[in-house]
Amino acid sequence: DAKTTQPPSMDCAEGRAANLPCNHSTISGNEYVYWYRQIHSQGPQYIIHGLKNNETNEMASLIITEDRKSSTLILPHATLRDTAVYYCILGNNDMRFGAGTRLTVKP
Amino acid sequence: SAVISQKPSRDICQRGTSLTIQCQVDSQVTMMFWYRQQPGQSLTLIATANQGSEATYESGFVIDKFPISRPNLTFSTLTVSNMSPEDSSIYLCSVATFTSGPGYEQYFGPGTRLTVT
Repeated sequence: DAKTTQPPSMDCAEGRAANLPCNHSTISGNEYVYWYRQIHSQGPQYIIHGLKNNETNEMASLIITEDRKSSTLILPHATLRDTAVYYCILGNNDMRFGAGTRLTVKP
Repeated sequence: SAVISQKPSRDICQRGTSLTIQCQVDSQVTMMFWYRQQPGQSLTLIATANQGSEATYESGFVIDKFPISRPNLTFSTLTVSNMSPEDSSIYLCSVATFTSGPGYEQYFGPGTRLTVT
């Protein structure tokens, strides 16, 4: 079973920041937090991952709370092409997916 | 990153038959996985494909139904045996590669869309 919980859906206005939350209260010390997204009919796409420090790459930022029990994926300037299902999963040689959050970016 | 290709991209099969799906990666990778994604659902991990040894299956999946081969570090196959309509799904190959930083990155193939009639 997935060890993360995410809201089933969210909306975001185009050009605004999209903040996607994820709870992982049972995370263990050696588990990374990974984020993926899946655009309709495509394979999931890796976005970012982190252990305990905040991370940023060209796609997004990942903010992990100090107790590591939750995290937030931030898409700084959402576009219509960011509409997808976003998955937050815990990985340490074991990648089980939960239901994810369906993000809809609206004009 | 890793580029993953799968064959076939889609197929329509009759119940009782078997289909073998191929996964090819453009570089050597340590870990390969097979997932299933049923219509409107999230991904479900079927098994981890181990090079040179038997695959490690998740609960609810067995080798007789989903035999997996991984003869080298760039190739794996998943067979869906004795198919029934309930096996209609998208089957995805995935690999994990270690990066210069901590942890690893996981990449997915485009998937194989299987319809069983």
